[in-house]
Amino acid sequence: AQSVTQPDIHITVSEGASLELRCNYSYGATPYLFWYVQSPGQGLQLLLKYFSGDTLVQGIKGFEAEFKRSQSSFNLRKPSVHWSDAAEYFCAVGANNNDMRFGAGTRLTVKP
Amino acid sequence: EAGVAQSPRYKIIEKRQSVAFWCNPISGHATLYWYQQILGQGPKLLIQFQNNGVVDDSQLPKDRFSAERLKGVDSTLKIQPAKLEDSAVYLCASRDGQRGGTDTQYFGPGTRLTVL
Repeated sequence: AQSVTQPDIHITVSEGASLELRCNYSYGATPYLFWYVQSPGQGLQLLLKYFSGDTLVQGIKGFEAEFKRSQSSFNLRKPSVHWSDAAEYFCAVGANNNDMRFGAGTRLTVKP
Repeated sequence: EAGVAQSPRYKIIEKRQSVAFWCNPISGHATLYWYQQILGQGPKLLIQFQNNGVVDDSQLPKDRFSAERLKGVDSTLKIQPAKLEDSAVYLCASRDGQRGGTDTQYFGPGTRLTVL
């Protein structure tokens, strides 16, 4: 059965510092992988997705993620965090965009 | 382009009462999803529609939850009777659904349900 683990419940970084959010998945075939961001009181917004091809995926708002099959990981990165990036981040794995399983989320706090 | 609309945004009820949530997907989107997001957890899929037919309702607690998508557009999710553990945010999402599954799911703002 597919599953997603986000090991970090809460991360705090200083504004301008780099960021990496971890995501590990379990899936029997080549997965579809997603990162979503959720601001308070808002729905989820897609940051980026991986279906196939280049394992380094560029997304919106300056985010990128790298698919590493050998490590079953899809970590999200940003070189310089802005205060507006403070939010909850969810990694998800699915089959063909259906039956998506979400991780429990990582809450990002940005220090001034 | 208008996003996914949901109403109400907030609802407080007592246990054993009934409640209904409404979702209006993005125009033209064939696929619609309802998710339940309990505090501190990621969203969990409850039901998926393709047009007005159910594709997957394997995680829907059918003894108390029901959903319909009449005419393949708007959808309603109902809980009857509600339990304390149903307190959560109910998210609706939609996608085009016509391009082999690689298109993006768009989420609405959600309905926050509190059961007392």
